[in-house]
Amino acid sequence: AQSVAQPEDQVNVAEGNPLTVKCTYSVSGNPYLFWYVQYPNRGLQFLLKYITGDNLVKGSYGFEAEFNKSQTSFHLKKPSALVSDSALYFCAVRDQDYKLSFGAGTTVTVRA
Amino acid sequence: NAGVTQTPKFRVLKTGQSMTLLCAQDMNHEYMYWYRQDPGMGLRLIHYSVGEGTTAKGEVPDGYNVSRLKKQNFLLGLESAAPSQTSVYFCASGRPTGVTEAFFGQGTRLTVV
Repeated sequence: AQSVAQPEDQVNVAEGNPLTVKCTYSVSGNPYLFWYVQYPNRGLQFLLKYITGDNLVKGSYGFEAEFNKSQTSFHLKKPSALVSDSALYFCAVRDQDYKLSFGAGTTVTVRA
Repeated sequence: NAGVTQTPKFRVLKTGQSMTLLCAQDMNHEYMYWYRQDPGMGLRLIHYSVGEGTTAKGEVPDGYNVSRLKKQNFLLGLESAAPSQTSVYFCASGRPTGVTEAFFGQGTRLTVV
């Protein structure tokens, strides 16, 4: 069975500092990996995805993620965080049968 | 563009009542999902469908039923609501060609009293 782990419930950073949100996964076959963001009382918005190719994936709003096959990780990063990046972030994995599973989420707070 | 639309947006049910949540997508997507979101639990997959007329169980299917009679609609039913089903429900859709992201609706907040 596939699974996604986000080991940190909360991440707190100062504005302008680098932001990292961690994700590890388990899936049979090739992993299709995604990051989504959720603002209060809203649905999920897509940030970026890894399918194949370069291990560093660039996405929306200056976010990027690094795929590491040996560590089965897909960490989300942003070089310089903004207060407006404060939100709930979800990592997800899709298997060959289109089943899409999410982690428990990480709340990011960026303080001014 | 409407995208993924969920109906209703809010609902309060009494224990034992039944209801159906409707998800409609206008993007001609093949696969659709129903999730529930609870604090600290993330999104848990209830049921999903890879095409019209097909459904499959996710992680937490008990107490729910689904139907996909039309490609654009995915219905989630609660036959006898329980307080444990108080949650925010999200629907999503996506297409199988290539590997694309799923698109989400705005959610349905359901309270069972």
